[in-house]
Amino acid sequence: AQTVTQSQPEMSVQEAETVTLSCTYDTSESDYYLFWYKQPPSRQMILVIRQEAYKQQNATENRFSVNFQKAAKSFSLKISDSQLGDAAMYFCAYRGNAGNMLTFGGGTRLMVKP
Amino acid sequence: GAVVSQHPSWVICKSGTSVKIECRSLDFQATTMFWYRQFPKQSLMLMATSNEGSKATYEQGVEKDKFLINHASLTLSTLTVTSAHPEDSSFYICSAASGTASRYFGPGTRLTVT
Repeated sequence: AQTVTQSQPEMSVQEAETVTLSCTYDTSESDYYLFWYKQPPSRQMILVIRQEAYKQQNATENRFSVNFQKAAKSFSLKISDSQLGDAAMYFCAYRGNAGNMLTFGGGTRLMVKP
Repeated sequence: GAVVSQHPSWVICKSGTSVKIECRSLDFQATTMFWYRQFPKQSLMLMATSNEGSKATYEQGVEKDKFLINHASLTLSTLTVTSAHPEDSSFYICSAASGTASRYFGPGTRLTVT
């Protein structure tokens, strides 16, 4: 079974600074998808960024980028120029190529200090 | 992006009663819907996966007779918590998928059983 681990329960960053959230996963599959979701206080899950395992290039979405290390099974999220609105729970998630279900990590609570 | 709605957003019920939560995909046909449960400050735990017109597949440890899932159409899935007890109080989130495309999450339903 696939597992997703987020080793940082909480992180803090100063507004306008950069922060990196860690995620590791375990799988025997070669093709899969990785995601970062944001869950603000409203609890609505919002997709931040998505990475296909077959792509070597790291995904980027504006201030959000990932460092995908397939061999190390690592998938970290970098948030640049942090904003107060970035404060939320962040979940790393895995989905197999043929599968339907998402496996979530335990989450990292990000606090942004003004 | 695609929109998924949930109703109600918050429900309070008495112990022993049943409560139904609806999940609708508003602008796309959801071949698969997922139901998650989230306790405070914890990650999302998959309860069951349902495909339109088929019986739901429940995760290990989830009582299928207690958490009834119906996916009668491509735009509606319902979760009924039968004979609810205080320990069933939680945040329930649905997610909808069309084929193997991205997952779209509903805003969640907070269930409080008194």
